[in-house]
Amino acid sequence: EPEVTQTPSHQVTQMGQEVILRCVPISNHLYFYWYRQILGQKVEFLVSFYNNEISEKSEIFDDQFSVERPDGSNFTLKIRSTKLEDSAMYFCASSEDFGRSGEQYFGPGTRLTVT
Amino acid sequence: AQTVTQSQPEMSVQEAETVTLSCTYDTSESNYYLFWYKQPPSRQMILVIRQEAYKQQNATENRFSVNFQKAAKSFSLKISDSQLGDTAMYFCAFMEGAQKLVFGQGTRLTINP
Repeated sequence: EPEVTQTPSHQVTQMGQEVILRCVPISNHLYFYWYRQILGQKVEFLVSFYNNEISEKSEIFDDQFSVERPDGSNFTLKIRSTKLEDSAMYFCASSEDFGRSGEQYFGPGTRLTVT
Repeated sequence: AQTVTQSQPEMSVQEAETVTLSCTYDTSESNYYLFWYKQPPSRQMILVIRQEAYKQQNATENRFSVNFQKAAKSFSLKISDSQLGDTAMYFCAFMEGAQKLVFGQGTRLTINP
């Protein structure tokens, strides 16, 4: 069964460093998402992406964040200058359809630790 | 903005028992989707079941079913014949707009042998 994959599974970085989290969505999906889950808290929406553009972003997704689909398979989240509070689990998701019926399939997540 | 509330931070039942997890939400929309996701210790998010608001019939998936009360804005998850593998965090989620999932705080469910 097709699945969303994410690498790395765990990333440790120092405050102020740039990190890139990578995701490979399901191959026939066209809509991509990033969510974040700080330890012990709920999952929060960061951004959605379609047709090489951001469709919607949350207030969390400020100028230090960016997303990109550099080729036909990868979808990346870049954090330019990491802060301690960026430590969280980051989930990538993809969906085939856009809109309310579009079931989102989640990857296994990348645990980001900022020291 | 829509909000999703799960009032039970933790629940614990014996294997084979039935358990119901509560979820309420707030929205002014008339048509929307609701979901239950399971997050086992591996922390992967797994879709358990979904409900379309315009459908009156409650969704079921094997041992999992929902009790959707649109007027009360309630969306509870019932797990029948619970199994050890059902131990996980369960998140209720609302589809806001066309693309954004809004999650509740989660309920940690433990199934005891």
